[in-house]
Amino acid sequence: TQLLEQSPQFLSIQEGENLTVYCNSSSVFSSLQWYRQEPGEGPVLLVTVVTGGEVKKLKRLTFQFGDARKDSSLHITAAQPGDTGLYLCAGDPGSQGNLIFGKGTKLSVKP
Amino acid sequence: DVKVTQSSRYLVKRTGEKVFLECVQDMDHENMFWYRQDPGLGLRLIYFSYDVKMKEKGDIPEGYSVSREKKERFSLILESASTNQTSMYLCASSPVRRLADFYNEQFFGPGTRLTVL
Repeated sequence: TQLLEQSPQFLSIQEGENLTVYCNSSSVFSSLQWYRQEPGEGPVLLVTVVTGGEVKKLKRLTFQFGDARKDSSLHITAAQPGDTGLYLCAGDPGSQGNLIFGKGTKLSVKP
Repeated sequence: DVKVTQSSRYLVKRTGEKVFLECVQDMDHENMFWYRQDPGLGLRLIYFSYDVKMKEKGDIPEGYSVSREKKERFSLILESASTNQTSMYLCASSPVRRLADFYNEQFFGPGTRLTVL
């Protein structure tokens, strides 16, 4: 069974701090996605990384895919209260349709 | 924009009732999924479908069934609701893997918060 271990599970920081969320597996993925979910809503796709070693930036968010395509990280610079939410990583094993989801990191950014 | 809608945002039912959760997507996606989301357990796949009238069990199908009579609609049925089915239910869709730049992203509905008393 393929698993994606996401850490930390909870993160509470002050506005302006930096943070990194990790997503690790022993399995290789053809791509990896990051989603953000606000309370009471469904997850929304932030980014997809495809190539080993790839780095993508979305404003203050930086996403990296590991060289071996087994792990990924999300780094947020100068966090703001609007970044608060549940961050989910999801790996595509390459088979038809199904994604493997991490359990999520619940981020709280206090003003 | 892809839109996935779910029939109810909040639902309260009694133990033993039959419950229907409806999901509709408007982007002609072939694949549709039902998940439940519980604190500490993450997203768990209940059932999925790759085509009309086709269904496959996910990781936790017990106590649930599904129906896909039309491409755009995927229904989740709780035959006899129990308190341990109190949860957030999320529907998602994705297109079939045929495009060079398709990376199997899923598009989620807003969720249905189901409480079984």
